[in-house]
Parts: sequence; C-alpha cells; structure tokens
Amino acid sequence: ETGVTQTPRHLVMGMTNKKSLKCEQHLGHNAMYWYKQSAKKPLELMFVYNFKEQTENNSVPSRFSPECPNSSHLFLHLHTLQPEDSALYLCASSQSGTGVYGYTFGSGTRLTVV
Amino acid sequence: DQQVKQNSPSLSVQEGRISILNCDYTNSMFDYFLWYKKYPAEGPTFLISISSIKDKNEDGRFTVFLNKSAKHLSLHIVPSQPGDSAVYFCAASKGGSEKLVFGKGTKLTVNP
Repeated sequence: ETGVTQTPRHLVMGMTNKKSLKCEQHLGHNAMYWYKQSAKKPLELMFVYNFKEQTENNSVPSRFSPECPNSSHLFLHLHTLQPEDSALYLCASSQSGTGVYGYTFGSGTRLTVV
Repeated sequence: DQQVKQNSPSLSVQEGRISILNCDYTNSMFDYFLWYKKYPAEGPTFLISISSIKDKNEDGRFTVFLNKSAKHLSLHIVPSQPGDSAVYFCAASKGGSEKLVFGKGTKLTVNP
C-alpha cells in the first residue's frame, strides 16, 4: 500500500453509537492531520499531530477524540455525535518541518449521523 | 470569518478554452498558496503552488498568478480538458506552518 489510506470509506452511525475512523500513511511522514469537510463549507483543520504529539486542537468538541499511537497511524474516535457532524473526514500527512510541502491527503471517510 | 474565499461555487467552460479560477484571501501573513484538485470519492491532490515572493508559477497547462496588493490569486488552465472537471480548492499557509487554510472550492466542468 502506498500513500494515505483511510477506513472505512463510508460510515453510518446513530447518535448513541461509538465508532472509530482509521488513517494509515506509508510515506514515512511524521505529521498527521484530521480535516473536516461539511457541505458548502471549506475544509476545516481539526487536529494536528507531530511525532505522535498533539500540537493543535482547533476547538473541536470532545465527542471527537483523536489518537496517534505512532507516526504512521491516526484514529478519530467518535461518540454521541450529532446529525450536523455528518461530513467528509479527511486525513493528511506531511514531513514535519517542511511546511505544507508534500502534504498528502487520504480519500476520506464519508460519515452520516442518523 | 473566512480567510480564504472562493466566491464562484461553479464554473463551466468548453474544451480547449481557458479556465480561470479565482481566490481571495484576507490574512496578509499568508506567504504560500496552493491549489488542490478533488475528484468525487477521492481526497484532494496537490496541483500547483506559489510563494509570496513570486507573482507567477507555471507547470504545463496550469499557471497560478498572485497579486499580493489585491490579496488575490488565480489558477489558469489552458487548454481545458474534460479530465480537468473536478472541484478546485485554494489553500494558504503562513510562516512555514504546516496548517492549511482552505477556501470552499470551485467546481469546474469542462464540456467536450
């Protein structure tokens, strides 16, 4: 596998469910990101991890809980979501210290909260 | 308040003609600008970028122009091809940051 892989591609969950989104990168990068794309809105940065340490939390509600066990894997744990959380969730990775050069996105997880 | 704005949600052009996608920004601290292309069911892919020390960058059919005084950049695609049909996102960053600030995107349709 190459690039940035996200699973699942699609997810439908109830408001009381708990689910997790997974992201894996095979690029040797050491920075990973979660972005959210809601309908008719720009992509919004949610979390940044550098060398497994969270360096940015962009005022994201606590019902979204990220986890970065190593530089290659990033999770987004979801619980008690609201219908307005339905969106495309994109993971990205880059080489820390190179700015936005080499930023690579995964294909995203389309989340629907019912 | 949106720092990166793409005011045209959609654009339709004929194959072979020029496509011009526009982007405005409000934060004068931004010093690096990128364009991403996104097909349905795929993540955004990098297309072309420009540093604030330049006013033009060209890569094949794609040229990005930057007007710092107007805080405006544009992406020109010449000639446009049906395979260019996608959503184009403008993004900006500042001071070597790894955080990207995106616009809402413009959906380009190139008609055969």
